[in-house]
Amino acid sequence: QKEVEQNSGPLSVPEGAIASLNCTYSDRVSQSFFWYRQYSGKSPELIMSIYSNGDKEDGRFTAQLNKASQYVSLLIRDSQPSDSATYLCAVSGNTGNQFYFGTGTSLTVIP
Amino acid sequence: NAGVTQTPKFQVLKTGQSMTLQCAQDMNHNSMYWYRQDPGMGLRLIYYSASEGTTDKGEVPNGYNVSRLNKREFSLRLESAAPSQTSVYFCASSEALRGGGTDTQYFGPGTRLTVL
Repeated sequence: QKEVEQNSGPLSVPEGAIASLNCTYSDRVSQSFFWYRQYSGKSPELIMSIYSNGDKEDGRFTAQLNKASQYVSLLIRDSQPSDSATYLCAVSGNTGNQFYFGTGTSLTVIP
Repeated sequence: NAGVTQTPKFQVLKTGQSMTLQCAQDMNHNSMYWYRQDPGMGLRLIYYSASEGTTDKGEVPNGYNVSRLNKREFSLRLESAAPSQTSVYFCASSEALRGGGTDTQYFGPGTRLTVL
């Protein structure tokens, strides 16, 4: 079983809509959770980090963590064409030194 | 600050050749990482260095060696390149320390390696 699983998509949403990206992880002792955005041909860049259960909001982005269900999600409100990218979910292991990435969800925002 | 830098940006090797990928960070981070990214496979950890002077294997270490030269630099060496090592290689760093610090990773621009 993979450590971190994401729906590869592609996910298409119209401009202005809410995009919902989901991720599940297998290691119950994981402590830290991250969402990275990666444009084609570029390196991953951090969007959000979340460490405790509940919601964390930053501008148009909201990360949601449910440790009991081993589930983390990212909501993008008022989606823009510039949000079109691959979104990677990452989870740190119990030592905090190893990170496990999902294969990413490709998002396309249609103008 | 340049953040995380990698050299070279592109490289083509023949099977059996060797090369070293260089990575440096100027953020005074303790931990550094090497990943490879292949289509449909996501980012996979090759090796990491939790602190200066230590290195550990990640998920896919076979065929690679690393050196943590100092706190700033972490190199990845392919001793005898194989076509299966054709990939995009990313170096990353984080502040991470046991018991403290943040473990957000910052990535370099990547090296696109083709092994013929």
